[in-house]
Amino acid sequence: GAGVSQSPRYKVAKRGQDVALRCDPISGHVSLFWYQQALGQGPEFLTYFQNEAQLDKSGLPSDRFFAERPEGSVSTLKIQRTQQEDSAVYLCASSSPPGAKNIQYFGAGTRLSVL
Amino acid sequence: DAKTTQPPSMDCAEGRAANLPCNHSTISGNEYVYWYRQIHSQGPQYIIHGLKNNETNEMASLIITEDRKSSTLILPHATLRDTAVYYCIVRVDYGQNFVFGPGTRLSVLP
Repeated sequence: GAGVSQSPRYKVAKRGQDVALRCDPISGHVSLFWYQQALGQGPEFLTYFQNEAQLDKSGLPSDRFFAERPEGSVSTLKIQRTQQEDSAVYLCASSSPPGAKNIQYFGAGTRLSVL
Repeated sequence: DAKTTQPPSMDCAEGRAANLPCNHSTISGNEYVYWYRQIHSQGPQYIIHGLKNNETNEMASLIITEDRKSSTLILPHATLRDTAVYYCIVRVDYGQNFVFGPGTRLSVLP
């Protein structure tokens, strides 16, 4: 497909369980972003990659959150020992190559529910 | 914190123009105004952006005041499918993450 793809769309985890959320960006997009969106609020920035380099992880809420993009394409957001407050929609976005208008294209998100 | 303020909600009659305001009084000279919208259970969708000139595309028009302290997104003929939360964001064009505020929840009524 031509858009940003995220999987799974829905994830239910028991408290304390580890989860992994996947993002397939638009082909050729060098920049990739992860956001967290709590119910009724706007998305909040978590982390940013340019190719395989994680240039900004200032938004990650704790050291239980880890993101990687080893080959500069697919990215995985991992949450260890999930807590109820981690319940949210996790959005991935990719942006057009440097030099072009920097529009971010978002996936549909993964809704994580921690019980 | 978001650098913009928007009304929390607005209603618009189907077929009429929807005019969504945004205040960004602290905008810097190199910051663009971006508009995104988010329909229920979907990710945010890019609508339009601009620096200082008015912009128009197939989705909407963006009117930016001369002092750039505010802007208006115009949906010329709103349909029920335009019901969504609309986010106004200011950011340098080649910057990194967007800072989203709570946005405006637009309800298009039949």
